[in-house]
Amino acid sequence: DAGVTQTPRHEVAEKGQTIILKCEPVSGHNDLFWYRQTKIQGLELLSYFRSKSLMEDGGAFKDRFKAEMLNSSFSTLKIQPTEPKDSAVYLCASSFTGRDTQYFGPGTRLLVL
Amino acid sequence: GQQVQQSPSSLVLQEGENAELQCNFSSTATQLQWFYQSPGGSLVSLLSNPSGTKHTGRLTSTTVTKERRSSLHISSSQTTDSGTYLCAIDHYGNEKITFGAGTKLTIKP
Repeated sequence: DAGVTQTPRHEVAEKGQTIILKCEPVSGHNDLFWYRQTKIQGLELLSYFRSKSLMEDGGAFKDRFKAEMLNSSFSTLKIQPTEPKDSAVYLCASSFTGRDTQYFGPGTRLLVL
Repeated sequence: GQQVQQSPSSLVLQEGENAELQCNFSSTATQLQWFYQSPGGSLVSLLSNPSGTKHTGRLTSTTVTKERRSSLHISSSQTTDSGTYLCAIDHYGNEKITFGAGTKLTIKP
């Protein structure tokens, strides 16, 4: 079975650009999560979808971060406009339900110059 | 909000020794997961263990819900066990998942 896939694996952006990260969850999973990981903050939840409905919009992140789930097998995370402090690894995870084990993708390493 | 404290922050062992990692959390967890992250790699879920004891391979997790703590025991450690081990919890009614800062484990040959 295919796990969670994320593209691109690496992204370099200039400050002020718009970038879109993509995620395909495990087939059949109902819940999808976007996380950001930095050395200073560790892992932070950005967005959480349950059956394509947005359950958590990231609080402090929502002004420039927008996650969408257009269908059950595809999600995007848009950062607009990017800032250097957005440099991090962005992880996507899915689970059958929010209470079950989450399966993580390989992540997208973003560098904003 | 929820807090997750992991200890130790780093641990260095010789191959073959056993590793004991701790996770303490501030509120009752309805789900608790242990994750492994290889150096530069993605996260891999190791165990889901909101209560009691679970085994998988050389890993044993024991969670004492009332005491708000969980441990991960790695027996007969191998150099390939080196990496960061993360504990994460969520609380019923609150969809947010909180991760600890992790324990960086280094196994020397």
